[in-house]
This record gives sequence, structure tokens and C-alpha cells, in this order.
Amino acid sequence: GAGVSQSPRYKVAKRGQDVALRCDPISGHVSLFWYQQALGQGPEFLTYFQNEAQLDKSGLPSDRFFAERPEGSVSTLKIQRTQQEDSAVYLCASSPGLAEETQYFGPGTRLLVL
Amino acid sequence: SQELEQSPQSLIVQEGKNLTINCTSSKTLYGLYWYKQKYGEGLIFLMMLQKGGEEKSHEKITAKLDEKKQQSSLHITASQPSHAGIYLCGADTWGGSNYKLTFGKGTLLTVNP
Repeated sequence: GAGVSQSPRYKVAKRGQDVALRCDPISGHVSLFWYQQALGQGPEFLTYFQNEAQLDKSGLPSDRFFAERPEGSVSTLKIQRTQQEDSAVYLCASSPGLAEETQYFGPGTRLLVL
Repeated sequence: SQELEQSPQSLIVQEGKNLTINCTSSKTLYGLYWYKQKYGEGLIFLMMLQKGGEEKSHEKITAKLDEKKQQSSLHITASQPSHAGIYLCGADTWGGSNYKLTFGKGTLLTVNP
């Protein structure tokens, strides 16, 4: 089937604007992850869902960042009052089960905050 | 927190040459993942290693995890332009459960035809 998809692929926002990034995981995958990748760096963990439950949000950089997965499939990462330091690629990944499963990544959303 | 150091940071090789990329951890690796990333794209899964001394191969790429499970290497034989990209190692930081991967900064590979 299809891989992980993300939309939009590119987003330009003015500082202070709210943005919403969408992730469609592989169908049936239980686990969903969000990562942030700054230019020239490796991805950094933001948050983790197991079905609809957000089990770990320790990587979210501030309370301006909010993620949800209400029906246990599609997830949305919302950033309120965007700042220039939020500019990065936001990657979504999903895995089939609960543990020791390979994470499959989407193409990412490249966010630029002006 | 677990840190992963990758070396070299970048590598330029002539097509047909062999190359090795290293990934070193400050702590024991419970699961080590190698991914490839092309600019503007997501991460493509290459291989996962879990056991000390484990070695896996796929086409011309071989990955190894040392016995102490603190270092992994990725070896490409007879490189091709299609191998160009950023190679990232990622490690499971939760002691056996695939969760919250920590990544190195990546190695940028250029293969000149």
C-alpha cells in the first residue's frame, strides 16, 4: 500500500501565524511519531502516539506546539504563533506495532517562518 | 541522553570506490537503524541491527554492529551515483522498545561519476 504521506510539503508562514501540518500514516500502523529536523541536523523526536493516545510529548519545544491523533490514524501537528526558530522540516513516521518495529518516514513538511 | 556521533560528516568518492561511514554511541545501543535521506525527501529505511556482532547486507550496502553494541559501520561496495545522499544512523533510546529514536547529524555522501 501507500507509504506515509504528509501535507503540505512546503509551508511559508509569517511570524505569529498558526500552522497545521498533517500526517497520514501507513494504514493499520499503531504507532505514530513526529520529528523536527533543522538544517544540517538529524531529526529530533517531538512526540509519540500509540493509536489515539499521546504517550510521550517530551520533545515538543514549547506549549505553542500541539499534536493530536483523534481517531488513531491521521495526525495533525499544530504550531501556534510561529517563530523563526520553528523553521525546519517536520517529519512524521509510523510503525506497525508497539515495540521494536521499524519506523517508516514520510517526505516531511518544510516550514519556513518569515 | 544518548548521543550518536557520525563520521565523516561528508564524503566525496569516485564512482566504483568503496566507502565506510561510522556511527558511535556514548551508551549501549539497543537497536541501531540506518536511513538514507535525499534532499527534500523523507528517510528511507536501510537496515536495523540489534545483536552484538550482527551484520546485514542489502545489495551493495553492509551494516555491522560491534560486539559491545556501541559502534556501527555502514559499508558501500563499488559506489554508484545512486548511493549519493545523507546517511543517518538512529538509535533506540528506550532499552529495547522502538521508541523515540535519537539520530546522528548525518553523513553527506557525494559520488562522482
